[in-house]
Amino acid sequence: NAGVMQNPRHLVRRRGQEARLRCSPMKGHSHVYWYRQLPEEGLKFMVYLQKENIIDESGMPKERFSAEFPKEGPSILRIQQVVRGDSAAYFCASSRETVNNEQFFGPGTRLTVL
Amino acid sequence: EDQVTQSPEALRLQEGESSSLNCSYTVSGLRGLFWYRQDPGKGPEFLFTLYSAGEEKEKERLKATLTKKESFLHITAPKPEDSATYLCAVHYGGATNKLIFGTGTLLAVQP
Repeated sequence: NAGVMQNPRHLVRRRGQEARLRCSPMKGHSHVYWYRQLPEEGLKFMVYLQKENIIDESGMPKERFSAEFPKEGPSILRIQQVVRGDSAAYFCASSRETVNNEQFFGPGTRLTVL
Repeated sequence: EDQVTQSPEALRLQEGESSSLNCSYTVSGLRGLFWYRQDPGKGPEFLFTLYSAGEEKEKERLKATLTKKESFLHITAPKPEDSATYLCAVHYGGATNKLIFGTGTLLAVQP
């Protein structure tokens, strides 16, 4: 019974490059959430998606960041033209339903921008 | 603005020394309060969900309680393996399912 899977676990990019982070939710879960954890800070919500729909992107920076959850395949968080301030741990969570909203987290992708 | 505040920021206990962690939140239509454990370099591990004032849940040495303004995570006779950061998060409902997290309590249990 695999949990939430994220890859890569570690990603190093130079300023200006693109970063693609992938998340496969738990089996049976159709709701995906992305959170960012900056050093010495708490987890901050970024975006909430269901299959082929963005439900809430209120936590996403207006520029350079985008997310998708296609009908087939994992959810993708894409960061274009990365800057040093994007260095953080990015966590994906999934839930089965919205009634109790119990979100289960993956191991995270640690992005380092040189 | 909805806020979640955890205290203390850090707590050092001797093995077997019971204590409590606090999570307070602004009241604005709370739909659920969640406790997670996070070990260094790992993702948060789900512990409990509490939905209404007066509710309590237990798991091994941990017990979570909820009032109208705060939640407590009680740790009874902790062991070194309980050392971790404990995170509290709230769900305010509405159209979004986002969780608002506190900054956590770093617990160190010494043998």
